Amino acid sequence: NAGVTQTPKFRILKIGQSMTLQCTQDMNHNYMYWYRQDPGMGLKLIYYSVGAGITDKGEVPNGYNVSRSTTEDFPLRLELAAPSQTSVYFCASSYRRGPLNYGYTFGSGTRLTVV
Amino acid sequence: DQQVKQNSPSLSVQEGRISILNCDYTNSMFDYFLWYKKYPAEGPTFLISISSIKDKNEDGRFTVFLNKSAKHLSLHIVPSQPGDSAVYFCAASANNAGNMLTFGGGTRLMVKP
Repeated sequence: NAGVTQTPKFRILKIGQSMTLQCTQDMNHNYMYWYRQDPGMGLKLIYYSVGAGITDKGEVPNGYNVSRSTTEDFPLRLELAAPSQTSVYFCASSYRRGPLNYGYTFGSGTRLTVV
Repeated sequence: DQQVKQNSPSLSVQEGRISILNCDYTNSMFDYFLWYKKYPAEGPTFLISISSIKDKNEDGRFTVFLNKSAKHLSLHIVPSQPGDSAVYFCAASANNAGNMLTFGGGTRLMVKP
């Protein structure tokens, strides 16, 4: 019963480098999300997906890309890392049926530092 | 423009006393509200929720109150325990916006033994 698994837990990137943050869930949830948490600012939605093959931008999508080729996986790609992307990133998933969204399950986060 | 605000970044309470965490929102279309609890190095976990058709929901030591006219909700923890020390996030969703959650900035609660 793993829930939502994120890797890596920590990463230091140099400016301009690229990386992919991995997220996988084993609950057969149809919705998946990427959030970033900046100090005192709560969680901001980067991208979300309502099902395999469908993704959409959230509140702060610039500098990121996502894909959803399977129900289980929702990787987040940073192409040209910038210091402003230093943050803690959380992946989440939820089961939505009709108008009801049955709560979010979060991963344990990836702490990213761009230097 | 933050639609969900938690104006107290931190709160310190003595063990056994009541903890009251507050949250204000601006979007009148929000119709479902949740509280999440987050320990260091872990993801947020769901704590309690309330629909806009109610003004109170209780679950053990945790009670959430909703005042729609004031666009304000609060989380009461009675009695507070040291294990309650964590960051608490208020979140809100609107049925007409796909039920995506909008989070507040969080309040760090410290319960002293």
